[in-house]
Parts: sequence; C-alpha cells; structure tokens
Amino acid sequence: EVQLVQSGAEVKKPGESLKISCEASGSTFSNYWVAWVRQKPGKGLEWMGIIYPDDSDTRYLPSFRGQVTISADRSINTAYLQWTSLMTSDTAIYYCATAPVIDFPQVGWGSWGQGTLVTVSS
Amino acid sequence: QSVLTQPPSASGTPGQRVAISCSGGFSNIETNTVSWYQQIPPTAPKLLIYANDQRPSGVPDRFSGSKSGTSASLAINGLQSEDEADYYCATWDDRLRNWVFGGGTRLTVL
Repeated sequence: EVQLVQSGAEVKKPGESLKISCEASGSTFSNYWVAWVRQKPGKGLEWMGIIYPDDSDTRYLPSFRGQVTISADRSINTAYLQWTSLMTSDTAIYYCATAPVIDFPQVGWGSWGQGTLVTVSS
Repeated sequence: QSVLTQPPSASGTPGQRVAISCSGGFSNIETNTVSWYQQIPPTAPKLLIYANDQRPSGVPDRFSGSKSGTSASLAINGLQSEDEADYYCATWDDRLRNWVFGGGTRLTVL
C-alpha cells in the first residue's frame, strides 16, 4: 500500500502564490490516481480534482477549475497543488489521497496524506 | 450544497446498531459504486467501505455498506465509543466526470 507524506503548514498573505506537495512511497505511483481534497475549518470534505501521474490526465471539479493547478512529477512520486494568487477563503486543510487505477472509478481512496494546513491572512 | 445528501447527525448508545444514509441520483450512486470514509477530527479521513460493501483489511466487520438504486447506507453494529466521528459517502459522478462527497454525518455515541 502506498504511504503519502505532505509538505508542512503554510502561512501566506492574500495575493501570494503557493505550491504544496504530496510524496508517495511504498508502491509505484503509476498504479494510482491522486486526488486533492479541501476541508475548510469546521466544514466537510470537498473534492478539488484528480490526476493520473503516469500521463498527467487531470480533471477538476467545476468550482476549482481555474482557481488551482494540480500537477505531478512521476519521476519523484510527487503530486502538487498550486495557487497563483491566494485568497483568505483558501484557508483550509488540504489532503491528498490515492486510489488504484485498476477498476477506477469503482474504487475507494485507500491512502491519505496527513493534511497540509494553509492559512491565508493579511 | 453537496451532490450527495447525508443526515447531518446521528447518534446511538454503546452496543446499538446505527445506519447512516447517503442519497444521490442516476448520474452518481445509481450507476457507480459508493465508498465510505471515517474522519476523527483533526486527523485524515480513513477508508471504511469501497465498492458499496467491501471492507479494506483492518476495518472491523462491525462496519458494513449497502446500496440500492440511488441510495447507499453505512451500518455500524455494536456501536463503540471510538466510533464517534464524522462519516462521509463518496462516489463518481458521470455528469461531472469527477468525484463527489456527501455533506458528512457526525455520529455521537451517547
């Protein structure tokens, strides 16, 4: 099973850029889709988008398209979530998760990162 | 507003059976399998059920899932205090061509 380790907490100002990471180990990255999930303080989980690192096929939920960029570098088993201009409303915990390619999307997201807290405040 | 609808809260006493529902539509639950996640704040979610009724290794058999039509359900038998958590259903949506969550159900063990 794959293990996911995310980059550390970030404190940013509105308008700043940010790129957070999710590094996989324990299994071949190419066997998995990677998702990013947002959780605002005291709120539920929201899918942001998914990426297949092997060919960088990326799909965004409508509310996140154009707001963030999801990317991956399969050579170092790492996926990324990037903002060019943060807003205070981006304050949240961001989780990465993986699901197996086989039988996708009739699968479960079995491995999760520990989460990255992003705080955006002036 | 979530694509999948869950009750915001549920409760039970130790030893009881509790069921949490997840309601969707033709483009999601009807035509795709459902997974369930447990989140004990402030930790990361954990996969409990996938493909409607399959348990990953390590998940107690007290947890079970089912699906019928446009609805799915997570049942917890023999409720324990450590089951107090938030529970989310999720599935693929053919119209959005992406994943969707339910709004989450906070389970309280009285």
